[in-house]
Amino acid sequence: AQSVSQHNHHVILSEAASLELGCNYSYGGTVNLFWYVQYPGQHLQLLLKYFSGDPLVKGIKGFEAEFIKSKFSFNLRKPSVQWSDTAEYFCAVNADNAGNMLTFGGGTRLMVKP
Amino acid sequence: DAGITQSPRHKVTETGTPVTLRCHQTENHRYMYWYRQDPGHGLRLIHYSYGVKDTDKGEVSDGYSVSRSKTEDFLLTLESATSSQTSVYFCAISDLADPNYGYTFGSGTRLTVV
Repeated sequence: AQSVSQHNHHVILSEAASLELGCNYSYGGTVNLFWYVQYPGQHLQLLLKYFSGDPLVKGIKGFEAEFIKSKFSFNLRKPSVQWSDTAEYFCAVNADNAGNMLTFGGGTRLMVKP
Repeated sequence: DAGITQSPRHKVTETGTPVTLRCHQTENHRYMYWYRQDPGHGLRLIHYSYGVKDTDKGEVSDGYSVSRSKTEDFLLTLESATSSQTSVYFCAISDLADPNYGYTFGSGTRLTVV
C-alpha cells in the first residue's frame, strides 16, 4: 500500500516569507496528487491537484506545486505567505491501483506571524 | 460544505455507549468515506462505500461499523465507544465522473468519549 510523508510537522514563518512544504509518496506507479488546506475550525478544502501534463501545477491563493516523478515528490510552494495562510496542509495521493481512494500525509501545521 | 452535511457537529459520550454519526449528501455521488483526524496522524480512513449496501474497511476500522441503505446517507457507528475514539470525524464524497475529481469534505464531528 502506498504511503505519504510530510516531513515538516510544524512551520512558522513571517509574512512575506517564501514557503515550501515537502510531500513524498511511496508508490511507483501512476499517481494523482492533491494538496488540501484546513483553516482553523474548518473542513478540508482542495488547494490544487495534479493528474497529468505540466508537472508545475498552480492552485488557488497563489499556491503552486511541482511533481517530480524521479523523487516521488509533490512539494507545495508559495513565494510570499500571508497571515491568512495560517492553516494545516495535507498532501494526498491516489494510486492507479487504488480506485479513487486517497491516502493522506500526516499534515503540516503552518503558522504565519503578522 | 454545500451538498454534504454531518450530524451531530459535537458530541460527548460515555465509554461503552454506542454512538452513530451521520453523513448526508445531496450530490448523488457514488463514493462516501469516513475519516478520523488526529494530531500527527493526518486523516486515516475508517470505512468507505462505493454504492448502496457496498462498503469496505479502511486502515483503522476496528471498533467501527458503517451502513449505507440510501445513496445519500452513510452512517458510522461506534459499537462501544472507547476513549481512543475521541477524535474529529470527517465524511467525504467523491465521484470519478466529476471532472473536478477530488474529495468534498463535510464540516466534521468532534466526538469526545469520557
